[in-house]
Amino acid sequence: SQKIEQNSEALNIQEGKTATLTCNYTNYSPAYLQWYRQDPGRGPVFLLLIRENEKEKRKERLKVTFDTTLKQSLFHITASQPADSATYLCALEGSGGYQKVTFGTGTKLQVIP
Amino acid sequence: DGGITQSPKYLFRKEGQNVTLSCEQNLNHDAMYWYRQDPGQGLRLIYYSQIVNDFQKGDIAEGYSVSREKKESFPLTVTSAQKNPTAFYLCASSRGTDTQYFGPGTRLTVL
Repeated sequence: SQKIEQNSEALNIQEGKTATLTCNYTNYSPAYLQWYRQDPGRGPVFLLLIRENEKEKRKERLKVTFDTTLKQSLFHITASQPADSATYLCALEGSGGYQKVTFGTGTKLQVIP
Repeated sequence: DGGITQSPKYLFRKEGQNVTLSCEQNLNHDAMYWYRQDPGQGLRLIYYSQIVNDFQKGDIAEGYSVSREKKESFPLTVTSAQKNPTAFYLCASSRGTDTQYFGPGTRLTVL
C-alpha cells in the first residue's frame, strides 16, 4: 500500500543551526513533491514544490532535495530561527487519473533560542 | 485580497444534528477540497471537486456531503451519520492539481 513517512517525533534544534526534515514514501511514483508549513490551529501554507526531474530547489533559507531512487525528500532550513517553529508537512501526488495529493502526518520543529 | 475563507472558526453541534461548514474562495480556482485533521494524524481527504457541478468522494466521505453550485463555493455538510465528527476541518483550492491554498479551518466539536 502507499505510505508517506515523516518523523513523528518533534525535532528540537538550536537557533542558527540547520534543521533537516525527512519525507520517505513507498509505492508512489510522484511527478512532484511539495512541502507545507502548518502553525497550530491554522491551515497549511505552501512552501516549495519540486518536480521529479529536479534534484534540488531553494527558496531563501529553504532547500528541498528529491531523490526518486531512494524515494526520499529532505527539507532543510538554514540559519533556523524561533519563528521557524511549526509543523512541516510533505505532500505527494498520488496515482490514478486524478493525481490526488496525499499529505504526510508532518514533523514538528522547535527552534530553541 | 485574494484568498480562501472558512466560517465559522469554531462550531458546536449536538449529537444527531447536521451542520454545514462554509468555504469560499476568490482565487478563481477550479479545484476545491475538504480535509479532516485529527490530532497526530495527517490531512485526510473527504471530498474534492475539480469543476462546478461535479465532485468526487475522497478517502473518508462516509457521513459527509458536499455541493458545488458555484465556482467560488464548496460547502461541507457533516451529517448525523458521521460517527466521530469532532475534528479540525480544512478547505483548500488549487488552480491545477498541485499547489493547494488552504483556508484557516473550522474546529467542530460535538457536545
